[in-house]
Amino acid sequence: SQTIHQWPATLVQPVGSPLSLECTVEGTSNPNLYWYRQAAGRGLQLLFYSVGIGQISSEVPQNLSASRPQDRQFILSSKKLLLSDSGFYLCAWSRGFTGELFFGEGSRLTVL
Amino acid sequence: QKEVEQDPGPLSVPEGAIVSLNCTYSNSAFQYFMWYRQYSRKGPELLMYTYSSGNKEDGRFTAQVDKSSKYISLFIRDSQPSDSATYLCAPVNTGFQKLVFGTGTRLLVSP
Repeated sequence: SQTIHQWPATLVQPVGSPLSLECTVEGTSNPNLYWYRQAAGRGLQLLFYSVGIGQISSEVPQNLSASRPQDRQFILSSKKLLLSDSGFYLCAWSRGFTGELFFGEGSRLTVL
Repeated sequence: QKEVEQDPGPLSVPEGAIVSLNCTYSNSAFQYFMWYRQYSRKGPELLMYTYSSGNKEDGRFTAQVDKSSKYISLFIRDSQPSDSATYLCAPVNTGFQKLVFGTGTRLLVSP
């Protein structure tokens, strides 16, 4: 069966500090991978998606970046966090272009 | 105009009530209509989906699509406290590469 792991689950970071969130998928190959952010009172905002190693599409211009160094690994990074980066970050995968996404447990980021 | 709009709620109902959750969209190219359920502090999970117009039933849940008015509904019969969650709609067009979600409606079912 397929599983998705995302970590860390919770982190508190000062403004201006770097960020690295990691996501890995097991039990499938060549998945589409996604990073979403869910801010308080707002919906799921798509940040990045990837259809293959090294292929990243960015949806929202901001100080975040994503990388896919391996087929089933997706990393979200920032060099300098802003207060507005606080939120619930969700990694997800899908088999090709279907509407069925499988989400991780999420990483809750608080920037102070 | 946002692509997908939902009333954020919260919608509070007593146990056993029939719940109606709604969503409107603007892109007439959407053909699949997904409903996700998200429990507090968890990632969303796919609840059910429909293709094009019409109804689809799955146990206590019924999804309904009216493409002429660009209106999507999810009905929950005999609602249970375990149904308390946020429900997000996500319409899809063929060939899509990204899924656009509504803001979600928070449902609270009291025993």
